[in-house]
Amino acid sequence: AQKITQTQPGMFVQEKEAVTLDCTYDTSDQSYGLFWYKQPSSGEMIFLIYQGSYDEQNATEGRYSLNFQKARKSANLVISASQLGDSAMYFCAMREGGLTGGGNKLTFGTGTQLKVEL
Amino acid sequence: ETGVTQTPRHLVMGMTNKKSLKCEQHLGHNAMYWYKQSAKKPLELMFVYSLEERVENNSVPSRFSPECPNSSHLFLHLHTLQPEDSALYLCASSQVRGRASTDTQYFGPGTRLTVL
Repeated sequence: AQKITQTQPGMFVQEKEAVTLDCTYDTSDQSYGLFWYKQPSSGEMIFLIYQGSYDEQNATEGRYSLNFQKARKSANLVISASQLGDSAMYFCAMREGGLTGGGNKLTFGTGTQLKVEL
Repeated sequence: ETGVTQTPRHLVMGMTNKKSLKCEQHLGHNAMYWYKQSAKKPLELMFVYSLEERVENNSVPSRFSPECPNSSHLFLHLHTLQPEDSALYLCASSQVRGRASTDTQYFGPGTRLTVL
């Protein structure tokens, strides 16, 4: 079974509108973290926002917020007031526990291609 | 320079060549990672180095050989690659504070590799 599922291969949104990108995850760990990254066509993965499994409040970073519903195992990204520069691939990722020697493993979803239109 | 840098940005090589990818992080982090991103597939973790020791090798073929000479530099040595190894190779770094830490990984721009 996939650990991270992003069911929207592509999304369109009009400039200045809000958009929600879906992410569901599967884990049996009690402690885990959820991340969203943005990947423009240039290739770099840009960190957007983080939500810890024990965080009671939804994470927010500027125009980005994470709608965390633990019981449903979903961690949707909400982008408010979309801008043309938001057009990119968006990846949801999960960290479970940690590696014995240090560091962490991230499991990524297949991504959602967002296109912002005028 | 800031963040994570990778060189070269693009690389074309034949199957018999030997080349190396370089990654440098300027964030003072103590863990570094190599990922492979192929078309239509999720990112795949290849190697993890923490405090310059390799702590994860995700069943990567031996034609990929990582090297971490210090906490700021990470290399991926390539030899006798196959066309299916063509992909975007991304390097990342993070600061490991504990097993349950946020440990956000910050990525470089990637090296787009084409194997002929």
